Parts: sequence; structure tokens; C-alpha cells
Amino acid sequence: DSGVTQTPKHLITATGQRVTLRCSPRSGDLSVYWYQQSLDQGLQFLIQYYNGEERAKGNILERFSAQQFPDLHSELNLSSLELGDSALYFCASSVAAQGAGEETQYFGPGTRLLVL
Amino acid sequence: DAKTTQPPSMDCAEGRAANLPCNHSTISGNEYVYWYRQIHSQGPQYIIHGLKNNETNEMASLIITEDRKSSTLILPHATLRDTAVYYCIVRAHPVGQGAQKLVFGQGTRLTINP
Repeated sequence: DSGVTQTPKHLITATGQRVTLRCSPRSGDLSVYWYQQSLDQGLQFLIQYYNGEERAKGNILERFSAQQFPDLHSELNLSSLELGDSALYFCASSVAAQGAGEETQYFGPGTRLLVL
Repeated sequence: DAKTTQPPSMDCAEGRAANLPCNHSTISGNEYVYWYRQIHSQGPQYIIHGLKNNETNEMASLIITEDRKSSTLILPHATLRDTAVYYCIVRAHPVGQGAQKLVFGQGTRLTINP
């Protein structure tokens, strides 16, 4: 158990719909990362938040957005869903304290999204 | 971040040591070598990381060559539960900016056979 929690575990929805995935980082971790894993693309970085602020963006679609709340949990919002958005979505967290050197990311169990 | 090269698949007998190689010939002096594994669609699991010295923890050992251009992850007594995709990742740690994204390649699919 990494200490990172994600809900829901599974999500089935239809094209055009909107869903919200939730992530709670490990206690004390300030950074949250979102990754997408689809069959043909492998694990891809989407976006990072650090202490409530967006820190880095990867190949995240404009239909997707994220935020990190004051209690440090994060939500990934996926809208206008397409069949190709079906994937595993993982959240990871790290301490990311100011001045830190080595930092390890710990992953949650993921949310499996199926768009029909 | 430096790119890594790993064999796509490997087999190992249960109880034997599994040695997973990784080539990172373009690694920079401030880049660490990380290993993660993913067991059948579960979240990637952190295994170990190192800069230039060999490292060992309860899960595995990491051997980094002196020129740091390659490394080997060693699972000393592989079990069936070690069957997974193993990812070698090279990443820098810019201080004060928060940890950086992980760039996953295709990894090595390790199969432990009974």
C-alpha cells in the first residue's frame, strides 16, 4: 500500500459525458501527478500540481483539467469523453519540499475508465 | 531526461536471481536511476533508486557501472509475485522545484517461471 488513494476504482460512462477522478496523496506530500496509461501509448504524464498550484503540464488534452485543493487532494476532470479516453488513470504523490533533492513518486492503484 | 534501453522481455526461474539490465549511455551527472515495476495494471510500484553507488533495500539491489552508462536491477530470490513489467527511468532532481515527471519507456516484461 503506497498511501495514495484513488476513487473510483472503475468508471463506465458514455461518449460525450464528463467524469471526475479523485486522488488523495500520502500524508505530508505536497505534489500530485496525474498519468494516463492506454494500451497503445503506455504510461504518459498529464499534469503536476504542487501545493495547490499547477507546476508542469504534459500531453494533457484541453478537454481535461485538474486542480489541487487546500487539503492537497486532487481531482482530474475529463469532459466530452471519447472512446479513446478509455484508459487507466494513475495519481502519484511526492513530498516535493523546498530544497529537497531526491524525491520518489508513489502511485495510487488507479482508476479504470471505460467510455462506451 | 536521458533515454533508457531495456530488453522487452526476460524469463527467470523461481528462486533464482533475476538480473534486469538497463542502458542509459547519455545520462548526465545529476541524473538518478530509478526502478519501478507494474504488476498487471496495478499502480507502478517504486523499487529502488541510486546516483552512482550501488544500493540495496528489502526489495532489490541496484548495481550502477562506474561510468554510469548502465545499471542492473537484481531481485535476489525471484518469486512468482515478481512477475511484472519493470521500468528503468533516469531523472534529474532540480532542487527547490518539486519532483519532476517520470518518463516511462516500454520496460522489461519479467516472467518468473515455477
